Amino acid sequence: NAGVTQTPKFRVLKTGQSMTLLCAQDMNHEYMYWYRQDPGMGLRLIHYSVGEGTTAKGEVPDGYNVSRLKKQNFLLGLESAAPSQTSVYFCASSSRSSGANVLTFGAGSRLTVL
Amino acid sequence: AQSVSQHNHHVILSEAASLELGCNYSYGGTVNLFWYVQYPGQHLQLLLKYFSGDPLVKGIKGFEAEFIKSKFSFNLRKPSVQWSDTAEYFCAVNARTSGTYKYIFGTGTRLKVLA
Repeated sequence: NAGVTQTPKFRVLKTGQSMTLLCAQDMNHEYMYWYRQDPGMGLRLIHYSVGEGTTAKGEVPDGYNVSRLKKQNFLLGLESAAPSQTSVYFCASSSRSSGANVLTFGAGSRLTVL
Repeated sequence: AQSVSQHNHHVILSEAASLELGCNYSYGGTVNLFWYVQYPGQHLQLLLKYFSGDPLVKGIKGFEAEFIKSKFSFNLRKPSVQWSDTAEYFCAVNARTSGTYKYIFGTGTRLKVLA
């Protein structure tokens, strides 16, 4: 059982380039999340999805777009990368649409924007 | 707005010392509280959780946390730390906001245990 898989694991971009991070989960989870982790700032929620075809903004959505066309996939896009988006990105999913969700995390994607 | 505060950013302890990491949240409604841990080079995993009932919850590896509603706190404790507890610890709150549940994390506490 793979759980939550993120690709790619590492990527280096130049300012202005675009890219997409893919998150795939095989647990039939309803909720999916994208976080970024920065030193001293913990995990900040970028966007999340409560089900296929729906997305919502988190704490720091600017500069990112997301799509949830299939229940198992949650894509995070950077249209025009900026150095401030250098970070480690974590995808997570959970099975229940209630407060009792326990998140299952992916291994992270380290993005560097030059 | 929902927020989570962790006041200790870096903690250094010797093995066998006792640990308490503070976590306070701001949200007036019903909350579900979590501690996650990230060991070096690994992804985050659940340490323990509180949904309801006994405010003292026990998790893996001898960790426990106490929910004090009047103080909006959910502090993490361990009586005697080990070198293998070296990790970053995150407090999180999941609460209903604008009709949906949103998961918010604190800034994390980096714990280093000296052998």
